[in-house]
Amino acid sequence: QVQLQESGPGLVKPSGTLSLMCAVSGGSISNNNWWSWVRQPPGKGLEWVGQISHSGTTNYNPSLGSRVTMSLDKSKNQFSLQLSSVTAADTAVYYCAKFGNSRWLSWFDPWGQGTLVTVAS
Amino acid sequence: EIVMTQSPATLSVSPGERATLSCRASQGVSSDLAWYQQKPGQAPRLLIYGASTRATGIPDRFSGGGSGTEFTLTVSSLQSEDFAIYYCHQYNNWPATFGQGTKVEIK
Repeated sequence: QVQLQESGPGLVKPSGTLSLMCAVSGGSISNNNWWSWVRQPPGKGLEWVGQISHSGTTNYNPSLGSRVTMSLDKSKNQFSLQLSSVTAADTAVYYCAKFGNSRWLSWFDPWGQGTLVTVAS
Repeated sequence: EIVMTQSPATLSVSPGERATLSCRASQGVSSDLAWYQQKPGQAPRLLIYGASTRATGIPDRFSGGGSGTEFTLTVSSLQSEDFAIYYCHQYNNWPATFGQGTKVEIK
């Protein structure tokens, strides 16, 4: 079965760019599916960040404006998230997740274990 | 965007008792509703999708119901491992949105 694993810096300076990778094993990101990022500020609820299809089509949460970029690296079977101009409000555990089916909106299953990113100087 | 409202915020239940959690959507989402369980320090785990279909490996004490704007998650007999936070999630309308969560705690 598909497994996901996030990686990236745990500390980012304010106004900098948050960059995370999600490595996928047990399946190919080129298969007909969507891949997503969801975040969770400490002690708070879940927020969908964005999604990318197997062909590179993206959709982002409008609340994040133009700060979000997602991309695929098919050679490494992974996908990435970049969030620019970060502030303390972007401090959160970031999860990558696979869509449950091939529709452009779907439930999330499975999830990666998550990685905490703290924005601080 | 669609606002998902969960109630109650906290539910105190004794082991072996039944727990019923509610989720309301600000507009209709058909049956495009999922439930997740999250324990401290862990990622969310899918329990239910399509409002009522249990995910692979989920015990049958978990059941989901509802459609449109009103949904429920029922745990028929709470086990010690079921004390956690539960989130609902609509995927009918873009952007996808989550409820704020219901914490199920030991009474």
